[in-house]
Amino acid sequence: EIVLTQSPGTLSLSPGERATLSCRASQSVSSSYLAWYQQKPGQAPRLLIYGASSRATGIPDRFSGSGSGTDFTLTISRLEPEDFAVYYCQQYGSSLPFGGGTKVEIK
Amino acid sequence: EVQLVESGGGLVQPGRSLRLSCAASGFTFDDYAMHWVRQAPGKGLEWVSGISWNSGSIGYADSVKGRFTISRDNAKNSLYLQMNSLRAEDTALYYCAKDMASSGWYPFDIWGQGTMVTVSS
Repeated sequence: EIVLTQSPGTLSLSPGERATLSCRASQSVSSSYLAWYQQKPGQAPRLLIYGASSRATGIPDRFSGSGSGTDFTLTISRLEPEDFAVYYCQQYGSSLPFGGGTKVEIK
Repeated sequence: EVQLVESGGGLVQPGRSLRLSCAASGFTFDDYAMHWVRQAPGKGLEWVSGISWNSGSIGYADSVKGRFTISRDNAKNSLYLQMNSLRAEDTALYYCAKDMASSGWYPFDIWGQGTMVTVSS
């Protein structure tokens, strides 16, 4: 089973800065079946990115995903106040593991 | 409005059973696979179980295999999770989530607000 490791655990940034989140898989993720979710306190997760780089419906273009194989990245080009949250990556297709999450907090 | 509403959570003793339900509305329920995902207090997300549109394909996390049973009733637009032999480590907020596709596991584009399950004596 694929294990997803997210880094860093916590990212402290200011509004307007660029955020770069990493998700590394223990083995190659086939067909770039990698998704990213955002979760704010007290809320359910929200799908941001699927297929490693496709934005879900209604997701602003400041969110972008990239990568293939075992290394994937979620980039938030300019952090808005509402972007401070926890982000999870997920592999899909055969199994559905989530990474441990990266918390993006206000510096 | 597309909506998933979970119910059935509560406080239960170790070894007992509980059945969760998820009522779907605002989309064609039987066109999509559905899942249960849980989140222990202060922890990350864990996929629990998934079921294809016609119940022909079902999957479970190793942590619940043999104890939990997922099912759906397309006529009632409802998803269920029968949880038996509950353990303290099953304590979590349980989310119902809609798959992007009918079968073969894909990302979850709609989530409910969750129902809390607490396993404690």
